[in-house]
Amino acid sequence: DQQVKQNSPSLSVQEGRISILNCDYTNSMFDYFLWYKKYPAEGPTFLISISSIKDKNEDGRFTVFLNKSAKHLSLHIVPSQPGDSAVYFCAASAIIQGAQKLVFGQGTRLTINP
Amino acid sequence: DGGITQSPKYLFRKEGQNVTLSCEQNLNHDAMYWYRQDPGQGLRLIYYSQIVNDFQKGDIAEGYSVSREKKESFPLTVTSAQKNPTAFYLCASKLTGTGLYEQYFGPGTRLTVT
Repeated sequence: DQQVKQNSPSLSVQEGRISILNCDYTNSMFDYFLWYKKYPAEGPTFLISISSIKDKNEDGRFTVFLNKSAKHLSLHIVPSQPGDSAVYFCAASAIIQGAQKLVFGQGTRLTINP
Repeated sequence: DGGITQSPKYLFRKEGQNVTLSCEQNLNHDAMYWYRQDPGQGLRLIYYSQIVNDFQKGDIAEGYSVSREKKESFPLTVTSAQKNPTAFYLCASKLTGTGLYEQYFGPGTRLTVT
């Protein structure tokens, strides 16, 4: 049962344009959401996050939007740069069995074309 | 400077052998986690530990074992009982406490079992 889903395995965007990565979740208990960026053969690095009580959080070129009623969040990158090419994971946080845990989506591979 | 180290980067083993993956952190984090990443899948939680001398099974603990004798160290043993051990293994850590959600990841260990 996939509680966090990223339905697009890959996305290709031209340099300078907007990249939009999507994530859907099913569990209403998730109270915090994070986006991680991962290069091949490296560990994920934290990118941006949002609390479930907010609907938008912005950090430079990166903005995360949360639609609680639709159980959907998205990451916008504008303008997209070649260095943004990576796999992006959406993660949702909840207290499960007394411990804070992250549940990850399958990831979306973003390719920025020059 | 602080961080999480995993060694080795690449590990090769014969089927039927146990192998231990190292994870060390000097961030003074209480909680530590082990994840497994397979192609096309998100990160799946193997084991986690919130405090020294205590650890809990994650979603896919079968065939794995851990120990947490020191705050800084959380080694993972992949036993011969793990049916499909070839994967990319990631260790993470975080501070515990209210409002603290971000997990910090190590660089990962690619394990190949033949």
